[in-house]
Amino acid sequence: LAKTTQPISMDSYEGQEVNITCSHNNIATNDYITWYQQFPSQGPRFIIQGYKTKVTNEVASLFIPADRKSSTLSLPRVSLSDTAVYYCLVGENQGGKLIFGQGTELSVKP
Amino acid sequence: GAVVSQHPSRVICKSGTSVKIECRSLDFQATTMFWYRQFPKQSLMLMATSNEGSKATYEQGVEKDKFLINHASLTLSTLTVTSAHPEDSSFYICSAQDRVNTGELFFGEGSRLTVL
Repeated sequence: LAKTTQPISMDSYEGQEVNITCSHNNIATNDYITWYQQFPSQGPRFIIQGYKTKVTNEVASLFIPADRKSSTLSLPRVSLSDTAVYYCLVGENQGGKLIFGQGTELSVKP
Repeated sequence: GAVVSQHPSRVICKSGTSVKIECRSLDFQATTMFWYRQFPKQSLMLMATSNEGSKATYEQGVEKDKFLINHASLTLSTLTVTSAHPEDSSFYICSAQDRVNTGELFFGEGSRLTVL
């Protein structure tokens, strides 16, 4: 399972766009990139998943360059409620077994 | 949508006692579930893979006799922390994948164990 590297923490202000980049140099051909959000004392919550190029849903966008060695989670116009830890994970789509890295603690300030 | 539920959400026990945590897939069958533990300000650490009808597969460094996992049905896996000690106090989280329908992976709400 590919290892991921993310910034430990990030600060932002309400209304700003936040981009969190994750490095996964050893990503395998069959691996997908998935981002989860976790609030204190709660289980992780799925945000978005992608394999290549760009994926967008109602809460975020995921940008993946051609070499797939990194990915960027983009949160448009963050609010205070987006304060959480964000995890980037790499693994097979049907694998189920996920190895969590350190995650990025995002703090959104008013 | 599909939901994974854990029970209890919080439990406090005395040192030396055993505690059972349940993980249920509410509207899908899960042949495989996963158990994680998370200490404060740390990431989730995979403990074991729970396989329906067979023995669990434990990650390196996780004591199988300490953390008993039973996956007796397609919708229920249990984690029993035996002879709990204060250092076992942690947040325990399970996940399950709906492989039949959507392939989505769902996490439970977590169970906070405090051992006095």
